[in-house]
Amino acid sequence: DAKTTQPNSMESNEEEPVHLPCNHSTISGTDYIHWYRQLPSQGPEYVIHGLTSNVNNRMASLAIAEDRKSSTLILHRATLRDAAVYYCIGGGADGLTFGKGTHLIIQP
Amino acid sequence: DTGVSQDPRHKITKRGQNVTFRCDPISEHNRLYWYRQTLGQGPEFLTYFQNEAQLEKSRLLSDRFSAERPKGSFSTLEIQRTEQGDSAMYLCASSPSRGLPFAGELFFGEGSRLTVL
Repeated sequence: DAKTTQPNSMESNEEEPVHLPCNHSTISGTDYIHWYRQLPSQGPEYVIHGLTSNVNNRMASLAIAEDRKSSTLILHRATLRDAAVYYCIGGGADGLTFGKGTHLIIQP
Repeated sequence: DTGVSQDPRHKITKRGQNVTFRCDPISEHNRLYWYRQTLGQGPEFLTYFQNEAQLEKSRLLSDRFSAERPKGSFSTLEIQRTEQGDSAMYLCASSPSRGLPFAGELFFGEGSRLTVL
């Protein structure tokens, strides 16, 4: 699995966009980039994943750099319910390796 | 509720005892995964099943840990001779069988929290 680097924490205001960065410079060509989030006392929740192209779903957008060494998770309009730990993972066939993630704080 | 179900949600045991956790995946999902999470850390991969076959095991899975999925449905994770370092949240996840095993969405349960005294 690729090692990923994320900021320990980020803060944003409610109803504003949030851009969560992730570096994964050792990712291989076939490893997908995954994002999960976890609320306290709950299991991780899938957010989005992609390989090369930018991806959009109802929860978020994923912008992947052309060299695939970094990506950005975009929450278009943060709500208080988006406050969680966000994990960026470069996953291959031998398991997903979660790092410590980014603790996202949303201010009302 | 049709999500991933784990039992028990909490387990307190004394060092040296054996414990077993059960995971019931989403019914149409052929793939099942076990992870372990300690306080302040992200989940760590332990093992993965495709139907009843255990296809991948992490180096973290010592000889005291054994996982089974006998009929390709529910799975059990047993820890023998527990140690205080085994205290953690044990998470189960499942996914449908499409493409590479870690290339899509994993659906996680709420976990089984183990405390070893």
